[in-house]
Amino acid sequence: DTEVTQTPKHLVMGMTNKKSLKCEQHMGHRAMYWYKQKAKKPPELMFVYSYEKLSINESVPSRFSPECPNSSLLNLHLHALQPEDSALYLCASSQVQVAPLHFGNGTRLTVT
Amino acid sequence: GIQVEQSPPDLILQEGANSTLRCNFSDSVNNLQWFHQNPWGQLINLFYIPSGTKQNGRLSATTVATERYSLLYISSSQTTDSGVYFCAVEYRSADGLTFGKGTHLIIQP
Repeated sequence: DTEVTQTPKHLVMGMTNKKSLKCEQHMGHRAMYWYKQKAKKPPELMFVYSYEKLSINESVPSRFSPECPNSSLLNLHLHALQPEDSALYLCASSQVQVAPLHFGNGTRLTVT
Repeated sequence: GIQVEQSPPDLILQEGANSTLRCNFSDSVNNLQWFHQNPWGQLINLFYIPSGTKQNGRLSATTVATERYSLLYISSSQTTDSGVYFCAVEYRSADGLTFGKGTHLIIQP
């Protein structure tokens, strides 16, 4: 079992919907990440939070909005997505920013 | 940005065989990790290895930072080793990990 928990496992949403992806870890890690993975491609970094502050934003469109309410939780708010945003969204955490990365099982998102 | 190349892209082996996967990167790095993604999409961290050699059971890894490459060795392959193996590197502390395209490994019984 993974120590990084992501919910929901699957999500289908229309282009006008607003939804949120959630990620939780209880390993005391101070860095948390969102990655996006399209089919048969490597994960691509979207956002990095270090000590609850956004430290990296890889030019992600504003329809994706991250939030780190506390050191254990990471959310990704979704609004007005496009069908090409359909992908596996992976959350990860590490003790500090340069340290072994631990991934959750991901949320498989389909935008219709 | 930093370039990461993995080889071979695909590899099909019989159970019990040994294999070597390679990761070349274009600049010096302060962070290098190997991951295994199983057919269900779960990504498992195998090694955190910016330099040196590590072993974990049938798997071992070596990174020669001065020559900008890393190798992952899998011995006595099992069908559960099937999946995609990713190398990921970080050039500077503020950059985050950049993943290579991966090696797709199939172990046949």
